[in-house]
Formats: sequence, C-alpha cells, structure tokens
Amino acid sequence: ETGVTQSPTHLIKTRGQQVTLRCSSQSGHNTVSWYQQALGQGPQFIFQYYREEENGRGNFPPRFSGLQFPNYSSELNVNALELDDSALYLCASSRGQVNTEAFFGQGTRLTVV
Amino acid sequence: QKEVEQNSGPLSVPEGAIASLNCTYSDRGSQSFFWYRQYSGKSPELIMSIYSNGDKEDGRFTAQLNKASQYVSLLIRDSQPSDSATYLCAIADGTSYGKLTFGQGTILTVHP
Repeated sequence: ETGVTQSPTHLIKTRGQQVTLRCSSQSGHNTVSWYQQALGQGPQFIFQYYREEENGRGNFPPRFSGLQFPNYSSELNVNALELDDSALYLCASSRGQVNTEAFFGQGTRLTVV
Repeated sequence: QKEVEQNSGPLSVPEGAIASLNCTYSDRGSQSFFWYRQYSGKSPELIMSIYSNGDKEDGRFTAQLNKASQYVSLLIRDSQPSDSATYLCAIADGTSYGKLTFGQGTILTVHP
C-alpha cells in the first residue's frame, strides 16, 4: 500500500457529462500528478499540482482541469466526456517536484458510454 | 521515434531464470529513471529508481543505467511466477516539474 487513495474506484458516465475524480496524497508528499492509462498502453501525463498550482501539463485539452487543496489532496475534472476518455486514471504523489519517486494510488476506472 | 521504448514482449521465462527487461530513451537531458510493476487490473507499483550510471541492486532486482547509450534495464534474478506482470519504464527529464514519460510496457510471464 502506498498511502495514496483515489475515489471512486469505478465510474460509468454518459458522453457529454462531467466527472470529478479525487486523490489523497501520501503523508509528507506535497506534489500530485495525474495520468491517463488506456488499455495496453503506458500512463500518459495529464498535469501536476504543486503548492495548489498547476505546475506542468501534458497534451490534454482544457476540458481536463484540476485542483490541489491546502492538505495536498487533489481533484481531476473532465468536462464534456468523450468515448475516448474511457481509461484508468491514476494519481501519483511525490515529495517535491523533480527527480523524486512517485507513488500511485489504486486508480479510477472510468467508462464513458 | 518514441520517447521511451521498451523491448517488445511478451517475454516468457522459466521459474528460476533471469528476466531481462530493456528500455531506451531519446531525451539526453533525462535525469531520473524508474521501473514500475503493474499487475493486471492494478495500478503501477514502484520497484526501482536509479539516477546515476551503473548498477543498483535491491534484492532480486538490479537496475542498470547507461546515459551515454541512453539505455536502462532491469534484471530479475531467480524469477518467480509472482513476478508475472507488465513492467513499465518511466523517465523524468529533470525540468521544472517531474513529468514521467512511460514506455508502453513489457509483459513478463514466468512459467513454473
């Protein structure tokens, strides 16, 4: 167990809806990153939050947005869901931003129908 | 050219053998290198990190890094059926934020 918890574990949404995924970081970690993992692929970086600010973003459209709270927990919001958004969404927490080990939560399996 | 490329699988080895997993990367500025293990339906689990050239050993696992050749590998000695999983190579480029770029993963099967 990494101490990183995500909720919910599974979710089914309809195309066009909005979804919020949540992540609690490991104790002592101040940085949270979100990844999307399609079936059979490696995780793809969505963005990172450090001290409540977005600190880097991958190649994802603006309908993917997030927040980090003072306790370092984080949310990932996806608007206008598309079928291709169906994936495993992973949250990783780390101590610091750069060159530190990142530990993943159990993930949220999102299915868009 | 993919940024991080892993040897194509699946890789099948007998129990007790050495499994060798390889990864090449394109960004010479890469600073940190990680190996994750992912069981089917689960999230990635960090098993090794390596930051400087050479070998790093942890139990049955040895990570090897050669920055000049842009190559990182993971050796698993005395492979066990419980090692059967997808192994993901992940690299951080050392920029102002710790984005990890993953390879596509190599599926390892250890058969009794």
